[in-house]
Amino acid sequence: EAQVTQNPRYLITVTGKKLTVTCSQNMNHEYMSWYRQDPGLGLRQIYYSMNVEVTDKGDVPEGYKVSRKEKRNFPLILESPSPNQTSLYFCASSNLQGGTEAFFGQGTRLTVV
Amino acid sequence: GENVEQHPSTLSVQEGDSAVIKCTYSDSASNYFPWYKQELGKRPQLIIDIRSNVGEKKDQRIAVTLNKTAKHFSLHITETQPEDSAVYFCAAIYNQGGKLIFGQGTELSVKP
Repeated sequence: EAQVTQNPRYLITVTGKKLTVTCSQNMNHEYMSWYRQDPGLGLRQIYYSMNVEVTDKGDVPEGYKVSRKEKRNFPLILESPSPNQTSLYFCASSNLQGGTEAFFGQGTRLTVV
Repeated sequence: GENVEQHPSTLSVQEGDSAVIKCTYSDSASNYFPWYKQELGKRPQLIIDIRSNVGEKKDQRIAVTLNKTAKHFSLHITETQPEDSAVYFCAAIYNQGGKLIFGQGTELSVKP
């Protein structure tokens, strides 16, 4: 089954404690991205990657890191989480050519206290 | 810069009425415009999309129109049903850059 898998689904952590949210896709998509969803602000892009070892900042990259060492994985790293990073996070993947459907992961609800 | 504006932010209609959501985009290089539906507690899922060489596309009760000159596109839902209640996002993609930019979302409520 074609899918994007994120883990964990829910996470409560404390300020400053490093965490990683994993994202994996099995569709051989070149393009992967991370979004955060906050009420009234829609889906804002954090980082995206057009292929292995190619990453770029989205609209709200501050406080986040990503890596793309393999085509299928695109982890999101918060080195020192802060309460303003409390949000719902989505990973998505798609083919790059011609604009195609983006498939989303199940979402990760992160709370930083 | 790349920007997508979406209106209205909330929309309430009676079952059976039509609903229209509008989006404008900033970059004339955009060539692909998808619409996503996000039900409560779930992930966004594609419901319809349109490419820049087409002015209108229909799929049963939903349709999307695109005006490239004015740089705006709209989602039309006819004969709305309670299960259409959700948050709808428009988006624009840039073929060269690969970035998918979303609008702010519209919370649609269909009252029985």
